[in-house]
This record gives sequence, structure tokens and C-alpha cells, in this order.
Amino acid sequence: KQEVTQIPAALSVPEGENLVLNCSFTDSAIYNLQWFRQDPGKGLTSLLLIQSSQREQTSGRLNASLDKSSGRSTLYIAASQPGDSATYLCAPGGSQGNLIFGKGTKLSVKP
Amino acid sequence: DAGVIQSPRHEVTEMGQEVTLRCKPISGHNSLFWYRQTMMRGLELLIYFNNNVPIDDSGMPEDRFSAKMPNASFSTLKIQPSEPRDSAVYFCASIKRGGWTSTDTQYFGPGTRLTVL
Repeated sequence: KQEVTQIPAALSVPEGENLVLNCSFTDSAIYNLQWFRQDPGKGLTSLLLIQSSQREQTSGRLNASLDKSSGRSTLYIAASQPGDSATYLCAPGGSQGNLIFGKGTKLSVKP
Repeated sequence: DAGVIQSPRHEVTEMGQEVTLRCKPISGHNSLFWYRQTMMRGLELLIYFNNNVPIDDSGMPEDRFSAKMPNASFSTLKIQPSEPRDSAVYFCASIKRGGWTSTDTQYFGPGTRLTVL
């Protein structure tokens, strides 16, 4: 059974810092991995999707890497802004689209 | 596109009552997923459908939970009878699998916040 761990559970940084969120998963037989953002009381918004054959994906200030063999992914946020404050969720996926989620990292960026 | 639509957005009911949550996936998407989110357990996959057919319901917690997808544009998640421990936010999500315009990116609805008293 796939288990997903995200470290740290919470993170508070001053505006402008570069930061890294970590995700580890126990079953490396994944089809892809997605990173989501969730704002309080809201649904989830997909940030980046990495296929199992890829090593990384970039979107603006966000970069996600995947090391499938070691069961790890990282989300790098450059030049953090207060608007980045949210909970970030990692979810390895199967070929049917089924996702298993970690419990997330709650990020707070202070002005 | 309107995105994934869920109704109601909030539901408050009493223990023992039947609850029905509704979801309309994005037009053209052919896979639909139901999730439940609680503080203790995080986001859990309950059941998913491909082309209206249930593929895996191993995440459904008890027989009190059931889900249907009678057509490509509508799905329901029913809890009967409801219990206080069912209180959670229930999300629906959809993707389009297969074909030139397939996408693995999962699109989530805004969720239904269920409170069972």
C-alpha cells in the first residue's frame, strides 16, 4: 500500500526566500506525481505534474523534481511571496489516475 | 469551462439521515474520483470511475457509503445512514484519459462540507 510522507508539516519563511518542500513515497511503481496547492476552505489546484519518465517540471517560480527509484520528490519555490501561503500536497498517481496524497506542508510566507 | 461542479457546498444533517452528494465533471472528461478530507486522515481516495464504470471502491469506508455514475456528466455519493464520524469535506475530481487530448492533471471541485450532528 502506497504511503506518502511530506516534510516539514509546516513552514514559516520571510518573503523572498527560496524554499524546498519534500515528499517521499514507499512504492516506486508510480505512473506520475502531482503537486497541488490548497487554500483554506478551498479545493485543490494542480501546480505541476511529472510523468514517471521525467526528472523535473517547471512552471514560473516553481520547479518539481522526481527521483522515482528512491521514492522522492521535491517542490522548489523561488523568491517566495505572501501569496504563496497555502498548503502544498504531493500525490503519486497510478495509471488509472488514482492519487494517494500526503498530509501536506502548510506554508506561511511573511511580508 | 465551468470546472467540476459539486452540490451542495455545505450540508448539515442529523445522525441517521441519508445524505446525497452530487458531482458534475468537466465536459469531455471520462474518469471521475471521489475523495474525503479530514484533519486526522488527510485526503483519502474513496472510489473512482472510468467511462461511468466503477473501477476501484476499496477506499469506501463502510457499506453505508455508495456511489453511482449513471452517465458521463453526473455522479452521486450517498451515505445511509450518516454518522458523526462521516463529517468531512468530500471532493470530486475528473480527468480525461486516452486520446489526443488526454490529460493526467486532475481537476478538483470546490468540495462539499458535510457535518453530521
